[in-house]
Amino acid sequence: TQLLEQSPQFLSIQEGENLTVYCNSSSVFSSLQWYRQEPGEGPVLLVTVVTGGEVKKLKRLTFQFGDARKDSSLHITAAQTGDTGLYLCAGARSGGSNYKLTFGKGTLLTVNP
Amino acid sequence: AAGVIQSPRHLIKEKRETATLKCYPIPRHDTVYWYQQGPGQDPQFLISFYEKMQSDKGSIPDRFSAQQFSDYHSELNMSSLELGDSALYFCASSLGRTRTREQFFGPGTRLTVL
Repeated sequence: TQLLEQSPQFLSIQEGENLTVYCNSSSVFSSLQWYRQEPGEGPVLLVTVVTGGEVKKLKRLTFQFGDARKDSSLHITAAQTGDTGLYLCAGARSGGSNYKLTFGKGTLLTVNP
Repeated sequence: AAGVIQSPRHLIKEKRETATLKCYPIPRHDTVYWYQQGPGQDPQFLISFYEKMQSDKGSIPDRFSAQQFSDYHSELNMSSLELGDSALYFCASSLGRTRTREQFFGPGTRLTVL
């Protein structure tokens, strides 16, 4: 059972369209991080959300952490071909020494010209 | 800004051989994490170290071991390699046990076992 359910798994859109990627869990996370990964490369950190209800913006990307800190979303406005890539959400669990990240399966985004 | 350095970037080994992967964290970062990512899979946590002590353990096979040295770099030692060990191995580093748990990943080592 995947602790973090990410949807959709694949997304193909035209340049200029908007999109939203969802990351859901039944568990509470102390923080949730969004990464973007290119083939064969390491995940690159886009943003970290910590507080329930928090909204962070990174240019055309808007990240939201759910009030209960169990879910998150990534919204991209006016997608560009350069946004193509694998988007991963990853949660850090609350409490103890459990600092490992648990990843979702990822959303492979293709933005067509 | 300095990033996480991993070496080698690519490694080809035969079955039953051993391999050593190295990770140099971002300067002043004291925590190192190792992840394994199979083809089409999400990264899976293997093991982590904080201040040179093992802090957490995930799905790391008994054939693998790791340590963090006094200069905070870490090495992942893999013995009796199997075909299924072929994967991308990532090292990530973070600054202490911060509330955000922000981890910064290296470029990875692609291990191919023949």
